[in-house]
Order: sequence, then C-alpha cells, then structure tokens
Amino acid sequence: AQSVTQPDARVTVSEGASLQLRCKYSYSATPYLFWYVQYPRQGLQLLLKYYSGDPVVQGVNSFEAEFSKSNSSFHLQKASVHWSDSAVYFCALMNTGGLSGKLTFGEGTQVTVIS
Amino acid sequence: NSKVIQTPRYLVKGQGQKAKMRCIPEKGHPVVFWYQQNKNNEFKFLINFQNQEVLQQIDMTEKRFSAECPSNSPCSLEIQSSEAGDSALYLCASSLTTNTEVFFGKGTRLTVV
Repeated sequence: AQSVTQPDARVTVSEGASLQLRCKYSYSATPYLFWYVQYPRQGLQLLLKYYSGDPVVQGVNSFEAEFSKSNSSFHLQKASVHWSDSAVYFCALMNTGGLSGKLTFGEGTQVTVIS
Repeated sequence: NSKVIQTPRYLVKGQGQKAKMRCIPEKGHPVVFWYQQNKNNEFKFLINFQNQEVLQQIDMTEKRFSAECPSNSPCSLEIQSSEAGDSALYLCASSLTTNTEVFFGKGTRLTVV
C-alpha cells in the first residue's frame, strides 16, 4: 500500500530565512508527487508537481521541490520565506498505475513564519 | 488560482438532519473528486466521477452518503442523516484526466451539532 509521511508536524522559521519541509513516500514505482498549501479557512492550493524528468521542480511563489528516488523523498524548499507563507503544507502522492487519480496525503506540516 | 466552486462555504446541521453541498468543477474538467478532511488534517477519499460515471468510491459510510455529478448541473454530496462524526471540511476537486494535477475548491465546512 502507498503512503506519505511528513515527519515534521510544526516548523517555525524567521521571515527571510530558508525553509525545508520533508516528505517521504512509500510506493512500488515512481509516483506522481505534489505539494499543496492550505491557508486558514481555505481549500488546497497546488504549489508544484512532479511527474518525471528533472528531479528539481519549480512551483509558485518561489517554492521548489527535489525528487529523490533513492531516498523516496520529495522535499519542499524556499530560499526566503515571507510572513504570508504561514500555512499548512501537504505532500501528496498519486498512484500512477490506477485509474482513479486518487491522492494519498501526508499528515501536513504547519509552518509559522515569525518576524 | 483554482476555479472549483463549492457552496455553501459553511453548513450547520442538527444530528439526523440532511446535509447537501454542491460543487462546480473547473470548466473542461471531467474528473471530479470528493474528500473529507477532519480536524486532524486526515484526508479521506470519498468518491470520484468521470463525467457522470462513478470511477471509485469508498463504502459510503453505511449508505448515509450519496453523490452525483449530473450532466449540466453542479455535482453534489449529500449526507442523509448527519452525525457528529461527520463534522469536517468537505473538499471537492477536479482534474483534466485521472493522471494529471488535481485542483481543489475552498471546501464546505460542515458542523453537526
């Protein structure tokens, strides 16, 4: 069975500092991977996606993520955070062999940006 | 920004009451999903459709849950007899195919009192 693990439930970072959010997955092949962000009282917004090819993918708002097959990871990074980046971030996996497009989500990481 | 429209944004129902929420997927997206997100940020896939046909669904919680995506009308998710444990954020999402990125609406927050 597939799974996604985000080992850090909460991360606090100073404005202007760099941010890395960890995501580990378990899947028998190379999955499609996504990062979503959820602001308070909102739905999920897609930050970036990985299907294949270049392991480093760029997303919105200067976020990027790096896929590692050997480590089964898809970590999210941002070089310099802004207070508006405070939100919950979810890593998600899509089963490439299935027909439904169903997503499996990690537990989420609450990011708080302090001044 | 996502163009998936969900209504209402908030829904308050008494136990045993019917709760119905609607979703208009992004234009041109034939695949529609419903997820339940609880207060612990756990996501539960409920059902998805391609056009009007069900692709996959969970055992719809003792048949209290039903969903449809009729042609030329909003999709809907209905809980026939709400229970306290149904209180959650219900997220509708859509995609172009079953192997492309999924875009979510803002959700309907159901509170069962």
